[in-house]
Amino acid sequence: GNSVTQMEGPVTLSEEAFLTINCTYTATGYPSLFWYVQYPGEGLQLLLKATKADDKGSNKGFEATYRKETTSFHLEKGSVQVSDSAVYFCALDSPSGGYNKLIFGAGTRLAVHP
Amino acid sequence: GAGVSQSPSNKVTEKGKDVELRCDPISGHTALYWYRQSLGQGLEFLIYFQGNSAPDKSGLPSDRFSAERTGGSVSTLTIQRTQQEDSAVYLCASSLWGLGLAGGTNEQFFGPGTRLTVL
Repeated sequence: GNSVTQMEGPVTLSEEAFLTINCTYTATGYPSLFWYVQYPGEGLQLLLKATKADDKGSNKGFEATYRKETTSFHLEKGSVQVSDSAVYFCALDSPSGGYNKLIFGAGTRLAVHP
Repeated sequence: GAGVSQSPSNKVTEKGKDVELRCDPISGHTALYWYRQSLGQGLEFLIYFQGNSAPDKSGLPSDRFSAERTGGSVSTLTIQRTQQEDSAVYLCASSLWGLGLAGGTNEQFFGPGTRLTVL
């Protein structure tokens, strides 16, 4: 079945450091790929998405490129801030029977220190 | 505008009791999803509603779990005879419709969740 694997955390970085959170997937067909973020005490928010191979999603300085050849969707940011501290979830949608249910990775906790 | 709301935000119950969790989706969204976030299992899909019908209940972990949706809006997730392993955060999400145009994706908007603790 479809699945998502992302790097285990926690990831601890200093402010302005470069961030990479790895995500790989297994899927049949052509899923869309997502990164969701969960800030402390808040609900899940969509951070960015890509709907087809070679698409790049970007938002708030974060980027991820849909790589079909390596089945990956790694999240990157050039310079993290303390406010980026959160849990990040990679996900894919699994179109089935006329709807898209999301399949999530385990989540990666990011802690950014001043 | 108003987002997805869930109530209660926290629920503590005793093993064996029944609980009801409520979700108010964004107005006009026809698709509604329930997910569960637990320490051992991560984020899992539970059930999907399109309008008032639930074409996919495949994620419900046991027959103690049920859900309904009335008027194409509010949904209630009911857990009967709660067990300690039911302790988790239950998340609701809604989207404009289940599948996008030309098979594309509709963004799912998540509520803040209900944290359920079974003692």
